[in-house]
Amino acid sequence: SAVISQKPSRDICQRGTSLTIQCQVDSQVTMMFWYRQQPGQSLTLIATANQGSEATYESGFVIDKFPISRPNLTFSTLTVSNMSPEDSSIYLCSVSLQGARETQYFGPGTRLLVL
Amino acid sequence: QKEVEQNSGPLSVPEGAIASLNCTYSDRGSQSFFWYRQYSGKSPELIMFIYSNGDKEDGRFTAQLNKASQYVSLLIRDSQPSDSATYLCAVGLPGSTLGRLYFGRGTQLTVWP
Repeated sequence: SAVISQKPSRDICQRGTSLTIQCQVDSQVTMMFWYRQQPGQSLTLIATANQGSEATYESGFVIDKFPISRPNLTFSTLTVSNMSPEDSSIYLCSVSLQGARETQYFGPGTRLLVL
Repeated sequence: QKEVEQNSGPLSVPEGAIASLNCTYSDRGSQSFFWYRQYSGKSPELIMFIYSNGDKEDGRFTAQLNKASQYVSLLIRDSQPSDSATYLCAVGLPGSTLGRLYFGRGTQLTVWP
């Protein structure tokens, strides 16, 4: 498995502002992903964070709203831009490990409340 | 539209009983299937994955896959109160970047002593 940390663990933000969430893994991983879990809902994949290239976004998510960086094999950031109350959610990063086909491990999550 | 459906529950079983959790998926090309457990306020943790038709056992957990019926299940034998959690079924997208998963809404399980 991998040890995954996220910062911040939680935040309360004002409408119209932006928040950058960091994800750090204790080992080099090929694939990193960002998910969202809205209150009472399941997890929804936002995007795949690709090292050295632009992130790949799922339907319904766009780069202007959720810019993602992946500068190396152990770190990624997700920014939630121009926030509205509908962005209140838990944001989780996850990683897939080489040799463990499509097996993912999740970070502890960032709990975001937008007022 | 790819969908993963689960009974939302709640499912309540007595300690020592077998808990049965079910999941159906819409994309016939899906090849990988996962069960995650999520305690309240925590992130999901992987319990089992299954890729081939049939049963796969790991301790008290058994995953069952039937691709023809597009059905995957999780059995928990000798259920314990510590098994009380939400169980998420996830399906890997066929032919895509490894690790892209679609999740069901989860089934809330309560095991009472």
